[in-house]
Amino acid sequence: DQQVKQNSPSLSVQEGRISILNCDYTNSMFDYFLWYKKYPAEGPTFLISISSIKDKNEDGRFTVFLNKSAKHLSLHIVPSQPGDSAVYFCAAHHFTGGGNKLTFGTGTQLKVEL
Amino acid sequence: GAVVSQHPSWVICKSGTSVKIECRSLDFQATTMFWYRQFPKQSLMLMATSNEGSKATYEQGVEKDKFLINHASLTLSTLTVTSAHPEDSSFYICSARTSGKMVTQYFGPGTRLLVL
Repeated sequence: DQQVKQNSPSLSVQEGRISILNCDYTNSMFDYFLWYKKYPAEGPTFLISISSIKDKNEDGRFTVFLNKSAKHLSLHIVPSQPGDSAVYFCAAHHFTGGGNKLTFGTGTQLKVEL
Repeated sequence: GAVVSQHPSWVICKSGTSVKIECRSLDFQATTMFWYRQFPKQSLMLMATSNEGSKATYEQGVEKDKFLINHASLTLSTLTVTSAHPEDSSFYICSARTSGKMVTQYFGPGTRLLVL
């Protein structure tokens, strides 16, 4: 049961334009959402996060939007740069009997073209 | 952001041998560390959660006798793949977070394991 879904496996954007990466979730117990960026053969790098009580968080070129009623979040990157080319994972946090856990989506490969 | 290191970055071993992977938090105390596994073009799958000084909590389907986790200090956790087989070949990534209300996990660079 995939509780966090990234339905677009890949996205191609021109340099300077906006990149929009989407993420949908099903578990209403998720209380915090994070975006990570990952290059091949490297560990994920934390980018930006948002609490479930907010609908927007901005950090430089990165903005995350949360639509709680739709159980949908998105990451906007503007302007996109070639160095942004990577796999982006969204992750959702919740407390379980086993402690705090992050559930990851399947990732979206972003390619920023010159 | 916080720095997490892993060693080794890659390892090739023969079937039947055991492999130990170290995960260290370099600039913060990690009360909780996580071990993930990633198959090609797939998401990160949580294998186990370990809290310093206590036994690890394994996810369903993960053999605790196969994947031994030791979180002996606030800056070090180890994952030992015992009697490794080719199907254990994968990319293993650790992450760490501090205590309290912190949710963000910081990830190590990963270890590529190839079992021949």
